[in-house]
Order: sequence, then C-alpha cells, then structure tokens
Amino acid sequence: EVQLVESGGGLVQPGRSMKLSCAASGFTFNNYDMAWVCQAPKKGLEWVATISYDGSSTYYRDSVKGRFTISRDNAKSTLYLQMDSLRSEDTATYYCARHDGTYYPDYWGQGVMVTVSS
Amino acid sequence: DIQLTQSPSSMSASLGDRVSLTCQSSQGIGNYLSWYQHKPGKPPKPMIYYATNLADGVPSRFSGSRSGSDYSLTISSLESEDTAIYYCLQYDEYPLTFGSGTKLEIK
Repeated sequence: EVQLVESGGGLVQPGRSMKLSCAASGFTFNNYDMAWVCQAPKKGLEWVATISYDGSSTYYRDSVKGRFTISRDNAKSTLYLQMDSLRSEDTATYYCARHDGTYYPDYWGQGVMVTVSS
Repeated sequence: DIQLTQSPSSMSASLGDRVSLTCQSSQGIGNYLSWYQHKPGKPPKPMIYYATNLADGVPSRFSGSRSGSDYSLTISSLESEDTAIYYCLQYDEYPLTFGSGTKLEIK
C-alpha cells in the first residue's frame, strides 16, 4: 500500500525557516517524481514544487523561487521541502504527492499545517 | 502560465441528478488534465486522469470528457457522498496549475 506521511509543520515566525519531510513507503520511491502542493486557509489548491526521480531537476512556482528548496533522499525514501524567509502568505496545509507514470499526482499524503505568524 | 477556469463556482443538485462540472484551459494542454475531489480534513482524491480515464477505485458514475479546450467531469447519478469541492489540474507544463474549484452540494 502506497503511503506518504508528512511531518515538520507547526507555527513559525515570519522570516524564519522550516523544513517539511514526507516519508514514502509501499512503492519504489526512486522511480517517481515527487511534488509538494499547498492549500492556504479558505483558498484553493496550489502546486508548489516538483523534483525528478533522481533529484537532478527541480521546478518551482514563482512565488517560492529562491526561498523554498525541494530535495529528496532516495536511500531514505524521503522527500523534503526547505522553506526559508517565510511569509504570512505561506500559511497553508502542505501535501506531498507522487507523480504517476502519466505524470498526474496520483497519491497524496494527509497534509501538514504550516502557520507563519508572529 | 496556463489558466484553468472552472464553472460553476458552486452548485447544488438533488440526489440522483446528472451533474456536469466544466474546466476551460487558456492554452492547449492535450489530455493532460486531471480532476480531484476534496473534502475537509482529507487529502485531494484523484477521480479522473488524462482527461477521460477513471482513477483506481472511483465509482463508474463518474466520467471525464474533452471538447477542444473544454473539459468536463460528469456524475451520472448524484449520491450524498459526492458533496465536495472538485478541482481540475493541468500537468502539461510547468507551473502546474489548478482551477479555482467547484463546490458541489446536495439540495
């Protein structure tokens, strides 16, 4: 059974950093591109970033470029999102998701809440 | 960036009704469009991928179709458990973009 379990969320002050993790199991992690998607309170879903199966390519939405870094450790089957210079508008539930063979995000974690506030 | 326009933004329908939700793309994306059902406190659930393919475990009352740059999610006979927000997603090019969602309620 495919499982994605996020951790590392919580309350953080503006301008500070936070690192999210997503532990994967039930599939061969290093065969799949992975993504982070977020949902701010009372807003819709937004794609944040994607990393290729081997970590060689990364893609970001404009609003997080230069502040967020997506990475992975295939030996640990874990996906990461390093979030620096956090802003109040980064407050959201963050989901990790797997891109399937046709590239659509097919499996999603339960999500982790990040609150940026002083 | 590719814009996806979903309509209506919200709707209510009766049990057993046939319901269609629409997603219009601002650019050609081929069939690289998926639909998700999102309920409070849960992760998005994939319903349709590659415009017309039913995701694993999704009831056959759901279907997806495409006409040019217009994509539709249809529920043939609405059930109470179908109450949710439905989002479309294009994954043809980066940045991946979602529509703003359609909130579906039962009358």
